[in-house]
Amino acid sequence: GDSVTQMEGPVTLSEEAFLTINCTYTATGYPSLFWYVQYPGEGLQLLLKATKADDKGSNKGFEATYRKETTSFHLEKGSVQVSDSAVYFCALSDQSNTGKLIFGQGTTLQVKP
Amino acid sequence: EADIYQTPRYLVIGTGKKITLECSQTMGHDKMYWYQQDPGMELHLIHYSYGVNSTEKGDLSSESTVSRIRTEHFPLTLESARPSHTSQYLCASSSGDRNTEAFFGQGTRLTVV
Repeated sequence: GDSVTQMEGPVTLSEEAFLTINCTYTATGYPSLFWYVQYPGEGLQLLLKATKADDKGSNKGFEATYRKETTSFHLEKGSVQVSDSAVYFCALSDQSNTGKLIFGQGTTLQVKP
Repeated sequence: EADIYQTPRYLVIGTGKKITLECSQTMGHDKMYWYQQDPGMELHLIHYSYGVNSTEKGDLSSESTVSRIRTEHFPLTLESARPSHTSQYLCASSSGDRNTEAFFGQGTRLTVV
């Protein structure tokens, strides 16, 4: 079945450091790909998405490119802030149009001043 | 700002009690979902609904049940709570197909003692 694999956390960075969180997926056909963020004590919020190969999603300085050839959707940010500390989830939605999401295991990011 | 609400936010209850977790959305979305988030943070779909009187079981087996009598309301019930049900439960809704963002509530953290 479909699945999503994220790099293990936690990730600890200093403020203004470069961030990469790796995400790879296994799916039949052409899934849509998402990054969601969960701040402490909160539900999930959409960070960005890409719905077809070579699309780049971006929001709040974060970017991710849908790479079908490597089945990847890595999250990047050039300069992280303390306020970016949260749990990041990569997810896919398959072709069935149900809107059901399959999540990776989540990566905790802690940014220190 | 997402208009999807879950109550209670936190619940501590004894073994054998019946509980209902409430989820309501004011966005008129047809599709609603319940995800279970384990302590390791992974999220798994346990129930979903495409509209009124439609409910389906998700990928993760759960002893809970759901109902969808009104578009805006999607409660989850446990007839007899057990310590193994201790988890965070997240409700979500979506307006469209696989490319559409899902909106999440803040979650209910359930502890069964």
